[in-house]
Amino acid sequence: DQQVKQNSPSLSVQEGRISILNCDYTNSMFDYFLWYKKYPAEGPTFLISISSIKDKNEDGRFTVFLNKSAKHLSLHIVPSQPGDSAVYFCAASETGANNLFFGTGTRLTVIP
Amino acid sequence: ETGVTQTPRHLVMGMTNKKSLKCEQHLGHNAMYWYKQSAKKPLELMFVYNFKEQTENNSVPSRFSPECPNSSHLFLHLHTLQPEDSALYLCASSPDRWGEQYFGPGTRLTVT
Repeated sequence: DQQVKQNSPSLSVQEGRISILNCDYTNSMFDYFLWYKKYPAEGPTFLISISSIKDKNEDGRFTVFLNKSAKHLSLHIVPSQPGDSAVYFCAASETGANNLFFGTGTRLTVIP
Repeated sequence: ETGVTQTPRHLVMGMTNKKSLKCEQHLGHNAMYWYKQSAKKPLELMFVYNFKEQTENNSVPSRFSPECPNSSHLFLHLHTLQPEDSALYLCASSPDRWGEQYFGPGTRLTVT
């Protein structure tokens, strides 16, 4: 059973607008969350992370929001740029555990 | 060369062949990982090495055999694979176990 879910396989956004990518998890013990970006023919690249003691982390155009009660996190990209077009994976882990769980990814297309 | 490199980038092998995938990281990291990504499935963690010691084996069939001779190199030895083992195999490293992971470009494996 998947512990991290990204229910939207794809998302299209106009350049300059906000992109919102969503991720849900089922394991309440997860306390560290990450977003990775993947271009074709390349490995995933770390983008931004958040620990469960926070509900928001911002890095430039990228902001991750964590809602622990809803077991939901989201990645906001604003303003979106064509170079942001990629597949975005969320991942979650539990401190002290021996695994990192990934979602299936959301393909973001930013239209110029 | 910097980052995480993987060779070969593409591999086609028969079910009776023996082959090896190689991963090398030039980041001075202490932990290395093998992941499998099948079509439309999330990344699946296969093996974790921390300071050259295997710390996790996620119920991976014995036809996959990892080897970590030092903190910079990681191998995945393959023998008598099945067609369903065809996938993208990604290597990653991190400064310590479960820190931010840096991925290689992956090896696209096809078993015929």
